[in-house]
Amino acid sequence: DGGITQSPKYLFRKEGQNVTLSCEQNLNHDAMYWYRQDPGQGLRLIYYSQIVNDFQKGDIAEGYSVSREKKESFPLTVTSAQKNPTAFYLCASRDPGQGNQETQYFGPGTRLLVL
Amino acid sequence: AQSVTQPDIHITVSEGASLELRCNYSYGATPYLFWYVQSPGQGLQLLLKYFSGDTLVQGIKGFEAEFKRSQSSFNLRKPSVHWSDAAEYFCAVGAATGGGNKLTFGTGTQLKVEL
Repeated sequence: DGGITQSPKYLFRKEGQNVTLSCEQNLNHDAMYWYRQDPGQGLRLIYYSQIVNDFQKGDIAEGYSVSREKKESFPLTVTSAQKNPTAFYLCASRDPGQGNQETQYFGPGTRLLVL
Repeated sequence: AQSVTQPDIHITVSEGASLELRCNYSYGATPYLFWYVQSPGQGLQLLLKYFSGDTLVQGIKGFEAEFKRSQSSFNLRKPSVHWSDAAEYFCAVGAATGGGNKLTFGTGTQLKVEL
C-alpha cells in the first residue's frame, strides 16, 4: 500500500527539548516537503528537499532542522530555538507527473504540543 | 512573489444546495493551481489541479473548478453539497521555475453544511 506516513500522531515537547517528527514515503518520489499549519494561516513551508543529501530552507526555517539521508525518509527536528512550536506539521512528497505536471501529496500530519 | 487569497473564512450551505468557494491568485507567469480538502485532524487530500489546457477541470467527489486568467481566479464549485463535504478547503498556487515546485497556500475556507 503506497503512501506517506507520519509519526507520531501527537507529540509533546518540554521546554528546551529537541523533538523529531518522522516522515516516510514509499512512492519513490524524489522531492519532499515540510509545512507548518496554524489556525487561520494556511500552510507555510519550513524545508524542502529535491533529492537525497540536499535540502533548502523554506519561508519559516528558523528553529527547525532536517536531514535527507534516504530517499524514503525526511525527518524534521524542532529545536529548542523554536519558541512557538505548537502547530500541526504536514509532510508532503511530489509526484513528477507527466510533462512537468508536478503534484504534491500529503501525509496525515503530526500535532505538536508544548508541555 | 506568488500569493493566494481566499476571501471567505467561513461558508455555510444547506445540504443539496450549490457551492462556490472563491480563490484569487497573484503570479507573474502561468500558474499551476490546486484545490485541497482537509477534514479535522487529517492531512490534505487533492481535489483537483490545473496546469494548462481546458480551463474547466473536474476533480474527485463531484467538484470542479474554472481557471479565469482575466480575473486571476480559480473558484471551486459543486452543484449539490453533501453533509460529508463539511471540511476546510485550501487553494494553492505553484510554479516549477527552479524553485522546487513550492506551493503557496491560501488561508482556507471552512465549509459547514446544514442538514
